[in-house]
Amino acid sequence: IAGITQAPTSQILAAGRRMTLRCTQDMRHNAMYWYRQDLGLGLRLIHYSNTAGTTGKGEVPDGYSVSRANTDDFPLTLASAVPSQTSVYFCASSERALGGQFFGPGTRLTVL
Amino acid sequence: GQNIDQPTEMTATEGAIVQINCTYQTSGFNGLFWYQQHAGEAPTFLSYNVLDGLEEKGRFSSFLSRSKGYSYLLLKELQMKDSASYLCAVRDGDYKLSFGAGTTVTVRA
Repeated sequence: IAGITQAPTSQILAAGRRMTLRCTQDMRHNAMYWYRQDLGLGLRLIHYSNTAGTTGKGEVPDGYSVSRANTDDFPLTLASAVPSQTSVYFCASSERALGGQFFGPGTRLTVL
Repeated sequence: GQNIDQPTEMTATEGAIVQINCTYQTSGFNGLFWYQQHAGEAPTFLSYNVLDGLEEKGRFSSFLSRSKGYSYLLLKELQMKDSASYLCAVRDGDYKLSFGAGTTVTVRA
């Protein structure tokens, strides 16, 4: 693994289903982030974690949850997917909260 | 929330110069970032300004005026591979990044 990986690359999901997007980084970065990107709206922060064991809410947290059990992994869970959660999801990390962020390749999620 | 504005689209000719402006209003300020994003790919870091003035990095330069809430990204000697979306992002007082909607630059031969 080099940098940040996300899985799956893309997914089509029925409304009401539960889904977990995975994110793993091997740079030993302390801070990790989840964004969604929608046409015309840019990147919006969903949740973040400044260090393992802590998480915080971003601009659009409703309908999403995260956990940070260790430094490397930061999964994003949609408990009951809705069509408005159709988006491209990017995971990012930075060495610390003040650092520049590096982005994963993204997950394209479609909720029908 | 934060308010970050940048033009939606710009077009320029190969070899030319393009300046992408970004204005912002945020609660607190801890730096401004520019990212490049090619279609279907992840954003990649271009530049970072925390103090007023110009930061130059090869063909790309970024300027910041904190008193005016203004930044620009200058792309010189444009190449076809520079066709991409350019994202302005501001780190606020809580150290979270807020992004503008992005400026799509099209470079024509």
